[in-house]
Amino acid sequence: KQEVTQIPAALSVPEGENLVLNCSFTDSAIYNLQWFRQDPGKGLTSLLLIQSSQREQTSGRLNASLDKSSGRSTLYIAASQPGDSATYLCAVRIQGAQKLVFGQGTRLTINP
Amino acid sequence: DARVTQTPRHKVTEMGQEVTMRCQPILGHNTVFWYRQTMMQGLELLAYFRNRAPLDDSGMPKDRFSAEMPDATLATLKIQPSEPRDSAVYFCASGLSGGDTEAFFGQGTRLTVV
Repeated sequence: KQEVTQIPAALSVPEGENLVLNCSFTDSAIYNLQWFRQDPGKGLTSLLLIQSSQREQTSGRLNASLDKSSGRSTLYIAASQPGDSATYLCAVRIQGAQKLVFGQGTRLTINP
Repeated sequence: DARVTQTPRHKVTEMGQEVTMRCQPILGHNTVFWYRQTMMQGLELLAYFRNRAPLDDSGMPKDRFSAEMPDATLATLKIQPSEPRDSAVYFCASGLSGGDTEAFFGQGTRLTVV
């Protein structure tokens, strides 16, 4: 059974810092990994999608990496801003069933 | 601007009542997921459809929950009878079949059963 873990559960940093969020998964038989952002009381916004054959994806100040063999992904946020405060979720799409399995999320707070 | 649309956004109901949540997937998407989000459990998959056929509903309590896709533009999730423990945010997501595609989520239905 695929399990996805995100560490830390919460993170608070001052504005302007670069930071890394971690995601690990137990079964490397995945199609892709997706990072989402969720603001309080809102839905999930897709940030980045990394295919299983890819090593990383970039969008603006965000960079996500994937090491499928070790079951790890990181989301790097450069020059953090208060507007980046949200919960960040990673999810893997497992092979065969194709369903998304989510981690519990990291609640990020950027302090002005 | 293509998006997944869920209705209602909020629902407060009394225990024992029937609740129906609706989802309009993005036009052309042929896979639909229903997830439930709670503080304790996070996001749990309830049901998954491809081309309107249910592929996986193992996460759904069968005695009170049912999910259907009457047509390609509408997915429904019904709870009958509802219980306080069903209080959660219910999300619908859609995408294209094929493992390498992205999933897009709706804004969710916040259900409170009193």
